[in-house]
Amino acid sequence: AQTVTQSQPEMSVQEAETVTLSCTYDTSESNYYLFWYKQPPSRQMILVIRQEAYKQQNATENRFSVNFQKAAKSFSLKISDSQLGDTAMYFCAFMNQGGSEKLVFGKGTKLTVNP
Amino acid sequence: EAGVAQSPRYKIIEKRQSVAFWCNPISGHATLYWYQQILGQGPKLLIQFQNNGVVDDSQLPKDRFSAERLKGVDSTLKIQPAKLEDSAVYLCASNREPRAEEETQYFGPGTRLLVL
Repeated sequence: AQTVTQSQPEMSVQEAETVTLSCTYDTSESNYYLFWYKQPPSRQMILVIRQEAYKQQNATENRFSVNFQKAAKSFSLKISDSQLGDTAMYFCAFMNQGGSEKLVFGKGTKLTVNP
Repeated sequence: EAGVAQSPRYKIIEKRQSVAFWCNPISGHATLYWYQQILGQGPKLLIQFQNNGVVDDSQLPKDRFSAERLKGVDSTLKIQPAKLEDSAVYLCASNREPRAEEETQYFGPGTRLLVL
C-alpha cells in the first residue's frame, strides 16, 4: 500500500519570503501522479500543483514549484514570495496511474504566513 | 463551470441517529469520490464511483455507511447509526476521466459532521 509522509506538522514564514514543505512517499509502482493541495480555513480543497512521475522536469505554477526526486521518493513544494493568502493546510497526495485512482494523502502541514 | 456542490455544510446529530449527505459533481465528470477527513488528518477515501458503478469501497465501514450514485450523476452518502468517531468532514470530489492526461480531482466544500 502507498503511504505519504509529511514530517512538518507546522511551519511559518514571513510575507515575501520563500518556504519549502517536505513530502516523502512509498510505493512500488513506477507510474503515478503526485499532488499538492491547499486547504484554507474555509475547508475547500484546492489543487496547487501536480507532477507526473514519468516527467523529469519539475512542475511549476506561478509562485509554486516542486522538487521531484523519484529515486529518493521525495516531492517537496516551494512557495516563493509568500503571501498572506497562502496561509492554509497543505496536503501532499499520491495517485496510482492504474487501478483505483484514489488519492492517498499525507497528514498535512499547517503553513502560516506572517505579515 | 460550476464546482462540486455539497449539502448540508454542517450537521449536528446524536449518536445512533442517521444522517445523509448529498453531492453533485461537476457536469460531465464520470468519477465521483467520497473522502472522510478527521480533524488533524488528511482525507481518506471511503468510496469511488465510475459512472454509477462502485470502483473501490474497501475502506467504507459497510455495517453503518452506505452510498449510491443513481444515474451516474448525484451521489448520497448515508451513516446509520452514527458513532462518535464519525465526527469528521466529508468531502466529495470528482474528475472527468481517471486516466486522462490532465488527471485532477476537484473537491467540494465538504460537510462537517459532529456526533454528540
